[in-house]
Amino acid sequence: DARVTQTPRHKVTEMGQEVTMRCQPILGHNTVFWYRQTMMQGLELLAYFRNRAPLDDSGMPKDRFSAEMPDATLATLKIQPSEPRDSAVYFCASGLALAYPYFGPGTRLLVL
Amino acid sequence: KQEVTQIPAALSVPEGENLVLNCSFTDSAIYNLQWFRQDPGKGLTSLLLIQSSQREQTSGRLNASLDKSSGRSTLYIAASQPGDSATYLCAVSGFIFPQGGSEKLVFGKGTKLTVNP
Repeated sequence: DARVTQTPRHKVTEMGQEVTMRCQPILGHNTVFWYRQTMMQGLELLAYFRNRAPLDDSGMPKDRFSAEMPDATLATLKIQPSEPRDSAVYFCASGLALAYPYFGPGTRLLVL
Repeated sequence: KQEVTQIPAALSVPEGENLVLNCSFTDSAIYNLQWFRQDPGKGLTSLLLIQSSQREQTSGRLNASLDKSSGRSTLYIAASQPGDSATYLCAVSGFIFPQGGSEKLVFGKGTKLTVNP
């Protein structure tokens, strides 16, 4: 049963620290998404990639967030420096172009 | 800018009841609409996907309808069960000329459903 995996599942850190979240997409999927979910804003798209190339990162605060795909089996989302307002659940999803995405279990981030 | 609204935000029903969840969107130029289920502490699971040319989709006890012109979709759950308790999210993808759909999903904030035994 193919699944999107995300690590870590939970992260507590202090303001100003760097946070790195990792995602392993489903093998063969060529599109990878990063979403953020908060109570106030709901689910928001931060960035997505097609064949490892970034297609859209307009939803991401550029000054502190960065997203990359070093290879087809790994996507990373980094926050540096982290702030309390970054506390949220970060979801990675993967899929094939224009097909519905498969979501990972999320990384629950708390920045103190 | 596309906006998706789901009403009600929360719903509590007794087991066995048929129920309807509502979703509305502001821009009717959509490629497709999807309904997802989210269990506490878990990711999202896709339930139904309706292409913009379709009127409805069915899967088991679930039926989703789409009225693109009025910007509305409903998710009908028949004979609800306690295991249906979850948050249900609606999401739409836009239409981009000429390639067709966009993978970018705009989500509503969800309806939290509780089915009481």
